[in-house]
Amino acid sequence: DAKTTQPTSMDCAEGRAANLPCNHSTISGNEYVYWYRQIHSQGPQYIIHGLKNNETNEMASLIITEDRKSSTLILPHATLRDTAVYYCIVSYSNDYKLSFGAGTTVTVRA
Amino acid sequence: GAGVSQTPSNKVTEKGKYVELRCDPISGHTALYWYRQSLGQGPEFLIYFQGTGAADDSGLPNDRFFAVRPEGSVSTLKIQRTERGDSAVYLCASSLGGGITSTDTQYFGPGTRLTVL
Repeated sequence: DAKTTQPTSMDCAEGRAANLPCNHSTISGNEYVYWYRQIHSQGPQYIIHGLKNNETNEMASLIITEDRKSSTLILPHATLRDTAVYYCIVSYSNDYKLSFGAGTTVTVRA
Repeated sequence: GAGVSQTPSNKVTEKGKYVELRCDPISGHTALYWYRQSLGQGPEFLIYFQGTGAADDSGLPNDRFFAVRPEGSVSTLKIQRTERGDSAVYLCASSLGGGITSTDTQYFGPGTRLTVL
């Protein structure tokens, strides 16, 4: 059973913010939301994670709704190098298995 | 610093043959993971090592698959009697300790693309 639901694909314009949605309506209180991305022919790369509060780092921002049933990954200024498959993963903090779904294929266009 | 490296980058073999895939984790990382990624899908967990021992091999599809990490560093994934359905990208990851914690990010290698003819 998939724990997360993401759109299959989305396009965004270079230089604009990219907002990637993820639904996780069955998330439990102790589960974190993680985001990874996978650029073509590379291994997945960690982006950010959060539990309840919004988080920001040098790569992106993570906005989690108050009921925690959905979240949005924000790439503030998308570049062509951000073209990748983005995975939203829900997991307990001590769960070493990353359960990837199909992810969202994001294409940044010039 | 060096990241996770995997060799070979590509491996083509014939059905029924034996293959070994190697993973060199980041120095000092005690946890090591193997995943398999089929075309168009996300990676799937295979096995997790903490040090030299396999702490969880529940993702290995059958007994043709085996992995070792004898000295707690380099790991080898071994596949016997390969089948066409084994064709996939095999990814290795390592992390400082065990599990996903706020400071225990999994770092992935580039993968080995296995093609079984």
